[in-house]
Amino acid sequence: GESVGLHLPTLSVQEGDNSIINCAYSNSASDYFIWYKQESGKGPQFIIDIRSNMDKRQGQRVTVLLNKTVKHLSLQIAATQPGDSAVYFCATHTGGFKTIFGAGTRLFVKA
Amino acid sequence: EAQVTQNPRYLITVTGKKLTVTCSQNMNHEYMSWYRQDPGLGLRQIYYSMNVEVTDKGDVPEGYKVSRKEKRNFPLILESPSPNQTSLYFCASSFFGGSSEAFFGQGTRLTVV
Repeated sequence: GESVGLHLPTLSVQEGDNSIINCAYSNSASDYFIWYKQESGKGPQFIIDIRSNMDKRQGQRVTVLLNKTVKHLSLQIAATQPGDSAVYFCATHTGGFKTIFGAGTRLFVKA
Repeated sequence: EAQVTQNPRYLITVTGKKLTVTCSQNMNHEYMSWYRQDPGLGLRQIYYSMNVEVTDKGDVPEGYKVSRKEKRNFPLILESPSPNQTSLYFCASSFFGGSSEAFFGQGTRLTVV
């Protein structure tokens, strides 16, 4: 069946460094991709999204890259801060109304 | 304030005792959905609703029911809870189904003993 996977369950970075979180998806018909951040005890919160007709989108300190050839998605966080410590999920959408989430990567930021 | 509100936040119940988790949104979203979150499995969609009186199964619908009688409310019903339904549950809403960002509630931690 359709799946979304993250390459690493945990990632540890030094404060001030850039973070890169990766995600692979299986369905080449996926047309919309979202990154969510989940802090402890809270629901997931939208960070940034990208549609399949784009390969890069930038937000405030975050960039999402989409490589449809290899079905790979990444989230880059510039100048990582302690407040960025959380679990990050990628999610894909393929027409219709279903959304498939990956298992999540926990980002630890070392001071 | 735009929000999705779930109740209760925590619930411990016994096997077989029917329960309902409520979800309400104040953003006039047409699309609402329920997810369960288990360690190592991410979020898995249980049911979703495209509009009032329109619902459909997600990836893990067994043992759950939903209803959408009003646009703002989307309750999750467990008719006969079992221990394997112990999980963290999230309700979410969005404008355009899966093709727009979803707003999530704070979660309901359910334990079935």
